[in-house]
Amino acid sequence: DTEVTQTPKHLVMGMTNKKSLKCEQHMGHRAMYWYKQKAKKPPELMFVYSYEKLSINESVPSRFSPECPNSSLLNLHLHALQPEDSALYLCASSGRGDSPYQETQYFGPGTRLLVL
Amino acid sequence: GDSVTQMEGPVTLSEEAFLTINCTYTATGYPSLFWYVQYPGEGLQLLLKATKADDKGSNKGFEATYRKETTSFHLEKGSVQVSDSAVYFCALSEGFQKLVFGTGTRLLVSP
Repeated sequence: DTEVTQTPKHLVMGMTNKKSLKCEQHMGHRAMYWYKQKAKKPPELMFVYSYEKLSINESVPSRFSPECPNSSLLNLHLHALQPEDSALYLCASSGRGDSPYQETQYFGPGTRLLVL
Repeated sequence: GDSVTQMEGPVTLSEEAFLTINCTYTATGYPSLFWYVQYPGEGLQLLLKATKADDKGSNKGFEATYRKETTSFHLEKGSVQVSDSAVYFCALSEGFQKLVFGTGTRLLVSP
């Protein structure tokens, strides 16, 4: 099974709201990722967690705050977003070995976010 | 740095036509290569992959061969269906926690 689940599927929020996106995998993967995808573009990497520790932050604004409570779960906390942050947010996971990021990434279905 | 170049789309085909989507790459080492597919309104699904030169990845009638001499990983299918209409992304990974994606190629298949 190569399933990554994401909730919610759709989210509409105002610029003063606080919301969270959730990602879950039960494949025993030790690396998890957040990507942002704008329309007609490839995904852009935002954050990487490896063994529950943040290993990459691609200079993402602080209004996006990732959290990895355990090896199966990844959250993305959103606060004071801008309309230009509207996009599809994709979670991915990889790797059961010693170097989990060297293995194939499997993506979830995404959360489509609209910021008004 | 590493990069992936894909052919511009959209690629428009009739059902049962032969498909080729070109992908070439630039990398400093020996990357793994991937094709991901994104159906309308969905996330990315791994279509196939190859991890070393001359490997052929295949899935659902799609094939791609890792060609080190031409730094290419072209996607092919002998007979496309309407249900294959999607965006196809070529990507590479050198194992540094990052996937490098091409710009994506939209495929439109008409009955």
